[in-house]
Amino acid sequence: AAGVIQSPRHLIKEKRETATLKCYPIPRHDTVYWYQQGPGQDPQFLISFYEKMQSDKGSIPDRFSAQQFSDYHSELNMSSLELGDSALYFCASSHGTTYNEQFFGPGTRLTVL
Amino acid sequence: AQTVTQSQPEMSVQEAETVTLSCTYDTSESDYYLFWYKQPPSRQMILVIRQEAYKQQNATENRFSVNFQKAAKSFSLKISDSQLGDAAMYFCAYRSPKLTQGGSEKLVFGKGTKLTVNP
Repeated sequence: AAGVIQSPRHLIKEKRETATLKCYPIPRHDTVYWYQQGPGQDPQFLISFYEKMQSDKGSIPDRFSAQQFSDYHSELNMSSLELGDSALYFCASSHGTTYNEQFFGPGTRLTVL
Repeated sequence: AQTVTQSQPEMSVQEAETVTLSCTYDTSESDYYLFWYKQPPSRQMILVIRQEAYKQQNATENRFSVNFQKAAKSFSLKISDSQLGDAAMYFCAYRSPKLTQGGSEKLVFGKGTKLTVNP
């Protein structure tokens, strides 16, 4: 069965640079979520989209922005990167009308030097 | 806001034995969903088991079962016949019902319990 795809899997950036993380949900899933997991921490919700509209927002810095496109894939754009942004970024997807289980992608490991 | 508490940062169990991981949560909602996720060293988040609050029957998935006590707001995970592959970080998670504008609510995670399985 198809799973959530995230790219890139690993990303190394310098401070003050910009990064773009991509997420391709499971086909026919209409909701995408972004979570940030720092070292030794639990995943923290950043933002979600339902049918290409932002549906909820968590503790996402103003330096970050995200959107969901017409093909339902989503991108998380991160600017003015800081050392503290180093983390594992998960994307998850779900189908809004059924069981609503969130299926997680493998994550993108971002390292800011 | 809802909170999830896992009071055991680390647990260990002998292979083939049984272990129980604790989770409590705080909410004023009457309907919600609870989950246990497993995160092995690969860091992949894997759903282990889920429970709908309106269901009184405890969920079971093969060697994994839960003890859901709604009044006590407790949701523990029991792993029977532990295997080496069960070694991982386990996260308890809470989710509210569907958002009124569509889609689904975010997951709220506990801090996790690191499970070690000894051969």
